[in-house]
Amino acid sequence: GAVVSQHPSWVICKSGTSVKIECRSLDFQATTMFWYRQFPKQSLMLMATSNEGSKATYEQGVEKDKFLINHASLTLSTLTVTSAHPEDSSFYICSASVGQVNQPQHFGDGTRLSIL
Amino acid sequence: AQTVTQSQPEMSVQEAETVTLSCTYDTSESDYYLFWYKQPPSRQMILVIRQEAYKQQNATENRFSVNFQKAAKSFSLKISDSQLGDAAMYFCASQIYNQGGKLIFGQGTELSVKP
Repeated sequence: GAVVSQHPSWVICKSGTSVKIECRSLDFQATTMFWYRQFPKQSLMLMATSNEGSKATYEQGVEKDKFLINHASLTLSTLTVTSAHPEDSSFYICSASVGQVNQPQHFGDGTRLSIL
Repeated sequence: AQTVTQSQPEMSVQEAETVTLSCTYDTSESDYYLFWYKQPPSRQMILVIRQEAYKQQNATENRFSVNFQKAAKSFSLKISDSQLGDAAMYFCASQIYNQGGKLIFGQGTELSVKP
């Protein structure tokens, strides 16, 4: 149980396009999901907290207009990278907790985004 | 501010031996959780072990155990009988109770296991 599915796993696109990444909780409801960014050989940096039915809470330094987060249902959160540029290339990972937010988080398999 | 520090970028251990990964953290909160996550080359994040700050007893999961020193704000991970499959990046993380559940990660330690 407690499976988080992330799609796509790898995407390559041209500079200037927008890319949407989906994060789904397959067998549980997640009122809160989290989006992280990870550069090669570095740690996970929290980008934002996604709350179902309300606006996401962004961490300091994360551009809200660049990284659009929508949490339309209890099982789906999406991250859209708008007008992507090569510097947005990174590994993006989502996570969710079963029940209360203080429970251990379950992570998706991540999305490798490459902007040409 | 909540910070997590892993001072060992890389560690190496011989197969079947024991290795300890270090982690220190800083928080002014009294209620929090600490975690160790493993990230193999597949980049999937796998929970290794979890410790509640209010518990004095160190958490243990099979070959994995922690040494939680609350006063020193230290949370090290001990891997016994190391196996080749233990080779991965290991991240220490903290989570403050009632702050929305977000995790703050350390820089990571890359563990290699020599056969």
